[in-house]
Amino acid sequence: DQQVKQNSPSLSVQEGRISILNCDYTNSMFDYFLWYKKYPAEGPTFLISISSIKDKNEDGRFTVFLNKSAKHLSLHIVPSQPGDSAVYFCAASNAGGTSYGKLTFGQGTILTVHP
Amino acid sequence: KAGVTQTPRYLIKTRGQQVTLSCSPISGHRSVSWYQQTPGQGLQFLFEYFSETQRNKGNFPGRFSGRQFSNSRSEMNVSTLELGDSALYLCASSPDRGTREKLFFGSGTQLSVL
Repeated sequence: DQQVKQNSPSLSVQEGRISILNCDYTNSMFDYFLWYKKYPAEGPTFLISISSIKDKNEDGRFTVFLNKSAKHLSLHIVPSQPGDSAVYFCAASNAGGTSYGKLTFGQGTILTVHP
Repeated sequence: KAGVTQTPRYLIKTRGQQVTLSCSPISGHRSVSWYQQTPGQGLQFLFEYFSETQRNKGNFPGRFSGRQFSNSRSEMNVSTLELGDSALYLCASSPDRGTREKLFFGSGTQLSVL
């Protein structure tokens, strides 16, 4: 039961253009969402997060949008740079005192930004 | 501040053997989580430890176990290895000021079971 889904295994964009990575979730108990970036041979690194009480969060070139009614979130990268080429994971956690350390991850989307 | 350190980076074992992986969290971080990453499956949560106690556990068989020491370092053990256990095992730490803390991941241990 894949509670967090990233339906696009890969995305290719031109440098300077916008990259949009999508993520869908099914568990209504999820109330906090994160994006991680992973380079080969390295662990995932935190990129940006959003609480379910918000619908948008910005950090420099990165913006995450949350549509709770559709159970959908997206990560926008503007402008895209070749150094952004990596695997991007969407992750979610749910409220309550028992979610310690547990994030539910999507399968990842490989982003390739061409110069 | 040093990051999360995992050892070894690579490991090759045969079916039926057991393996122990080690993780040193970021200094001051008391929560340590373990994840399994396989191609196409994303990251699957194994378990989380805090103050030497397992607080949370994922849906993995009992062959997967872990522990945490008083200095917050953690180990995970997989007994009776199966071919399907081949994966990247990632350790993550957090300060644990709440359940909202973003996790800091190590580079992982790549386990190959032959």
